Amino acid sequence: DIQLTQSPSFLSASVGDRVTITCRASQGITSYLAWYQQKPGKAPKLLIYAASTLHSGVPSRFSGSGSGTEFTLTISSLQPEDFATYYCQQLNSYPFTFGGGTKVESK
Amino acid sequence: EVQLLESGGGLVQPGGSLRLSCAASGFSVSSYAMGWVRQAPGKGLEWVSGIYGRGGSTNYADSVKGRFTISRDTSKNTLYLQMNSLRAEDTAVYYCARRDYEEGGSCYRYWGQGTLVTVSS
Repeated sequence: DIQLTQSPSFLSASVGDRVTITCRASQGITSYLAWYQQKPGKAPKLLIYAASTLHSGVPSRFSGSGSGTEFTLTISSLQPEDFATYYCQQLNSYPFTFGGGTKVESK
Repeated sequence: EVQLLESGGGLVQPGGSLRLSCAASGFSVSSYAMGWVRQAPGKGLEWVSGIYGRGGSTNYADSVKGRFTISRDTSKNTLYLQMNSLRAEDTAVYYCARRDYEEGGSCYRYWGQGTLVTVSS
């Protein structure tokens, strides 16, 4: 199985900060990586697919990059509605594993 | 508009069974790959099972293999997850999701609201 390691697990930041989250795969997954945002009590929401393609309706302050085994999610200027938990997921091969999550909290 | 609506969750004793349903609207479940993802209380997301649109082949996480069965009923446009031999560690919110294929990758684009399964005596 492919393991995904997200870092950091927790992140304290302020509105306006640039935030970067990393997701490392235990083996190459080309660009079969997606990023999701989840708020408490809600279903996850798709942010980015194919490692770097922004899902329709997602603000342009979100961006993704990487391929192979190293991926990043960047929020260029954190907004109040961005405080949430973020997950990466590989869809290269079954089982479609998720990273452990990164909780972005207000500093 | 694509919508997914889960139902069937509840309280069940260890060793018991439960069948979750995911009613789809706005598309045909036979035309898309679908999946189930769960989230234990206070924990992260865990992929559980998937079914291909064409052909209907299935895949499972090791943690549920041999106990859970994913299926669909095209006449009802509904996805199911039959869960047998339930354990306390299966307690979670279960989400169904539609898998979309895009150039260079795929993703779970649409998600249901989730249904809570509690396994306890």
